[in-house]
Amino acid sequence: KQEVTQIPAALSVPEGENLVLNCSFTDSAIYNLQWFRQDPGKGLTSLLLIQSSQREQTSGRLNASLDKSSGRSTLYIAASQPGDSATYLCAVMDSSYKLIFGSGTRLLVRP
Amino acid sequence: DAGVIQSPRHEVTEMGQEVTLRCKPISGHDYLFWYRQTMMRGLELLIYFNNNVPIDDSGMPEDRFSAKMPNASFSTLKIQPSEPRDSAVYFCASSPGPGPYTFGSGTRLTVV
Repeated sequence: KQEVTQIPAALSVPEGENLVLNCSFTDSAIYNLQWFRQDPGKGLTSLLLIQSSQREQTSGRLNASLDKSSGRSTLYIAASQPGDSATYLCAVMDSSYKLIFGSGTRLLVRP
Repeated sequence: DAGVIQSPRHEVTEMGQEVTLRCKPISGHDYLFWYRQTMMRGLELLIYFNNNVPIDDSGMPEDRFSAKMPNASFSTLKIQPSEPRDSAVYFCASSPGPGPYTFGSGTRLTVV
């Protein structure tokens, strides 16, 4: 059974710092990996999707990497801003297109 | 496209009552998913449909939960009878298959 783990569970950084969020999964037979952002009381917003054949994806200040063989992904946020404060969720898609989620990393960027 | 639309946004009901949550997926998306989010268990997949057919309902917690998708533009998740432990945020999501999911804004259910 696929299990997704995110470390750390919570993170507080001063504005301007570069930071890395970690995600690991137990079964490397994934279709893709997706990173989402969730603001308090809101739904999930898709940030980046990495296909299983890809190594990384970039969108603005965000860069996500994937090492399928070791079951790991990282989300790198450059020059963090208070507006980046949210919960970041990692999810892997299996061959039946189901997403299995980690428990998330709660990020606080202090002004 | 207006995205995935869920209703109601909030629902407060008494224990034992029937609750129906509704979802309109994005047009053209063949897959529809129902998730439940709680502090203790995070996001759990309850059931998903492909072309209106239920494919995997192994995440449905009990027989009190049922879901239908009568057509490509509408799905319901019903809880009958509801219990306090069903209190959670219920999300609907749709996707074209091996691509990004789009989530609705969720229904916050409180059973008192």
